[in-house]
Amino acid sequence: ETGVTQSPTHLIKTRGQQVTLRCSSQSGHNTVSWYQQALGQGPQFIFQYYREEENGRGNFPPRFSGLQFPNYSSELNVNALELDDSALYLCASSPWGAYEQYFGPGTRLTVT
Amino acid sequence: QKEVEQNSGPLSVPEGAIASLNCTYSDRGSQSFFWYRQYSGKSPELIMFIYSNGDKEDGRFTAQLNKASQYVSLLIRDSQPSDSATYLCALNMNRDDKIIFGKGTRLHILP
Repeated sequence: ETGVTQSPTHLIKTRGQQVTLRCSSQSGHNTVSWYQQALGQGPQFIFQYYREEENGRGNFPPRFSGLQFPNYSSELNVNALELDDSALYLCASSPWGAYEQYFGPGTRLTVT
Repeated sequence: QKEVEQNSGPLSVPEGAIASLNCTYSDRGSQSFFWYRQYSGKSPELIMFIYSNGDKEDGRFTAQLNKASQYVSLLIRDSQPSDSATYLCALNMNRDDKIIFGKGTRLHILP
């Protein structure tokens, strides 16, 4: 069974640029959630996708957007990057109807 | 009041002893509760989840839930140096719902 994978592992961007992060869900999981984890904090929910539709969103501005594809993989896009967007971005997958979620290895984004 | 509260630590426990990690939450409607372990620079790893009041055991780990007191705990028996990590307490309100995390407790097992 393949776990959740994310790419890239690390990324350095300049303020104002745009970034796309990618996630492949665990085999059999059709729901993908994205979280942002700042240093020393717990992960914060950004949004969730199910059946290619956004199914819940946290307190993040519209410049954070996402997609889910028919194979359940997902992208997180962030426009107009700000310094405070520097964080570990985590993708978690789960089968629909589950309580628990399983995280991928994360993408470390640094905005300079 | 924060939704999930944890002592940030560090909590230092001698090797072989029992480590006790605690968490309180504010919303009585919370349905399920999770403990994730996170090593420095890595992503969270789910180690336990619990829905019902009482204890749930899995190997050296025991999760305890008391919904009346809005309290969740994790006991780690026979602590090993490899247990040194940050432990994140988390919850959600329903199936398929977002997970709400505490800030985590740093655990240090002393050899």
